[in-house]
Amino acid sequence: EDQVTQSPEALRLQEGESSSLNCSYTVSGLRGLFWYRQDPGKGPEFLFTLYSAGEEKEKERLKATLTKKESFLHITAPKPEDSATYLCAVQEKRNAGNMLTFGGGTRLMVKP
Amino acid sequence: DGGITQSPKYLFRKEGQNVTLSCEQNLNHDAMYWYRQDPGQGLRLIYYSQIVNDFQKGDIAEGYSVSREKKESFPLTVTSAQKNPTAFYLCASSVMGRDRPEAFFGQGTRLTVV
Repeated sequence: EDQVTQSPEALRLQEGESSSLNCSYTVSGLRGLFWYRQDPGKGPEFLFTLYSAGEEKEKERLKATLTKKESFLHITAPKPEDSATYLCAVQEKRNAGNMLTFGGGTRLMVKP
Repeated sequence: DGGITQSPKYLFRKEGQNVTLSCEQNLNHDAMYWYRQDPGQGLRLIYYSQIVNDFQKGDIAEGYSVSREKKESFPLTVTSAQKNPTAFYLCASSVMGRDRPEAFFGQGTRLTVV
């Protein structure tokens, strides 16, 4: 069974304290891995798509990387406005549609 | 501006009632999806549609129904057969194919059974 597991479930950081979020996945064939940011009571906001091992994408203080079994979302010098839940999702090659399988998310809290 | 509009933002349902959640997109996307999110959990797929007048069940379709009569619209009905409907419901859309496969989401509808 395909699985997407995110860790930790919750992460508290001081402002400026860099860290990483993990997304481990087991799928029969990966078409793409996606990172989203979700604020409380809102829909997920798209951040990155990664397609193959070794690929990296950056946006402001966020950098996403991909290996054959996991992806990391690195947060450099976070600010309080980075506080949110970060969701990881995968698409499989065997699916004709572009539906996503999501992990449970990591709730990030950055204190000033 | 292009986007996905879900309505209402909050919805209250009495026991035994059917309720319909609206989802409209003006992104010209072929594919549309409904996900359910429970507190502290990730999203689970209810139904998806890749083309007008066609849709498929996702992982948790029991107690739900959908229609896709127009490309822009994909309403979700939560029927009385859904035993635990209280949740946050998210609609999404995407292009079909391998280019730009990312899904874009609406702002969600929070459904509560009273």
